[in-house]
Amino acid sequence: GQQLNQSPQSMFIQEGEDVSMNCTSSSIFNTWLWYKQEPGEGPVLLIALYKAGELTSNGRLTAQFGITRKDSFLNISASIPSDVGIYFCAGQRAGGTSYGKLTFGQGTILTVHP
Amino acid sequence: DGGITQSPKYLFRKEGQNVTLSCEQNLNHDAMYWYRQDPGQGLRLIYYSQIVNDFQKGDIAEGYSVSREKKESFPLTVTSAQKNPTAFYLCASSKPGQGAFFGQGTRLTVV
Repeated sequence: GQQLNQSPQSMFIQEGEDVSMNCTSSSIFNTWLWYKQEPGEGPVLLIALYKAGELTSNGRLTAQFGITRKDSFLNISASIPSDVGIYFCAGQRAGGTSYGKLTFGQGTILTVHP
Repeated sequence: DGGITQSPKYLFRKEGQNVTLSCEQNLNHDAMYWYRQDPGQGLRLIYYSQIVNDFQKGDIAEGYSVSREKKESFPLTVTSAQKNPTAFYLCASSKPGQGAFFGQGTRLTVV
């Protein structure tokens, strides 16, 4: 099955630094989602994007839905130690037999050094 | 509180046995999903259901079965035909066009 191309695969940063990660696809999505997963837990939804070009913030997190509908990025500003985890992007199509089905990126492992 | 509940959190299975993982949601969501996650990997879709009494295979359905007799429940059976079942299994639910919400996961180990 198709997977999204998420990069980078991992990041090691100092506390206070900004972080940026992105996802690209060869196919169009109608919804882009960003999740964070901590060890042994299920992913938690951080931000949902529903319109091409949409820029949405949630505290120190900002995400954008690309104009082509084939990409999205997530920025984290002024990182703190509790930002540590795996961040996943996910794309969702609407209509036809793929309605509601999510396709995930491979994840970005974020490590924040105090 | 509304949410999605998976049980058990840890499950051990002997080779050749079938085992069923539970997933219940009280969010009144139409769609439910099962994903498999292997160490250091992303999530791969096993099965999904958009409505009661209907479900579709995902990308890695072989060796798994599901049922959707009630809106709230979407149990996953890992059969003996699944050759490498040890993994972290995640259930999710969503409303059409909205982001999916995940349960806490079940870690299945074959012993």
